[in-house]
Amino acid sequence: AQTVTQSQPEMSVQEAETVTLSCTYDTSESNYYLFWYKQPPSRQMILVIRQEAYKQQNATENRFSVNFQKAAKSFSLKISDSQLGDTAMYFCAFMKLVGYSSASKIIFGSGTRLSIRP
Amino acid sequence: GAVVSQHPSWVICKSGTSVKIECRSLDFQATTMFWYRQFPKQSLMLMATSNEGSKATYEQGVEKDKFLINHASLTLSTLTVTSAHPEDSSFYICSASPLTGELFFGEGSRLTVL
Repeated sequence: AQTVTQSQPEMSVQEAETVTLSCTYDTSESNYYLFWYKQPPSRQMILVIRQEAYKQQNATENRFSVNFQKAAKSFSLKISDSQLGDTAMYFCAFMKLVGYSSASKIIFGSGTRLSIRP
Repeated sequence: GAVVSQHPSWVICKSGTSVKIECRSLDFQATTMFWYRQFPKQSLMLMATSNEGSKATYEQGVEKDKFLINHASLTLSTLTVTSAHPEDSSFYICSASPLTGELFFGEGSRLTVL
């Protein structure tokens, strides 16, 4: 079975600073996806960034980037130039790849509550 | 982008009654949908996988007779909480995928059982 571990329950940084959220996972699968989701107070789940395990290049989306270390099973999220709107719960998640047209369940970590201070 | 819609977003019911929550994929077909439960300040816990035209697959510890799932069409899955009790109060979220590697979430449904 797959597990996802987030060891930082809460983090707080000043606006414009850079912050890194940690995530480790455990799996015996070789093909999978990793995600970071953001859940603001509205509780809508918002995809921040996605990484395919077969890709060595780290995914980047504007101010958000990941450090994907497949051998170490580590998948951290870096938020640069943090903004007040980044305040939210952040969940690291794992999805096994079962086929191009098939959907697979996502397993979530326990989450990190990130607060951006003005 | 793909949209998943849940209804109702908020429901209050009396203990002992049943409540139905709908999850719709608005612009794609989903043979599989997923139902999650989230307690305050906690993560999303997968309850079950809803399969179109067949029985749902429940995670260990989830009572299938308590949480009835029906996936009658390629765009609609329903979760019915039967004989609801206060401990069933929670935030329920559905998700669906148009393609592997992508998963979209509904807005969630907050259930309060009095």
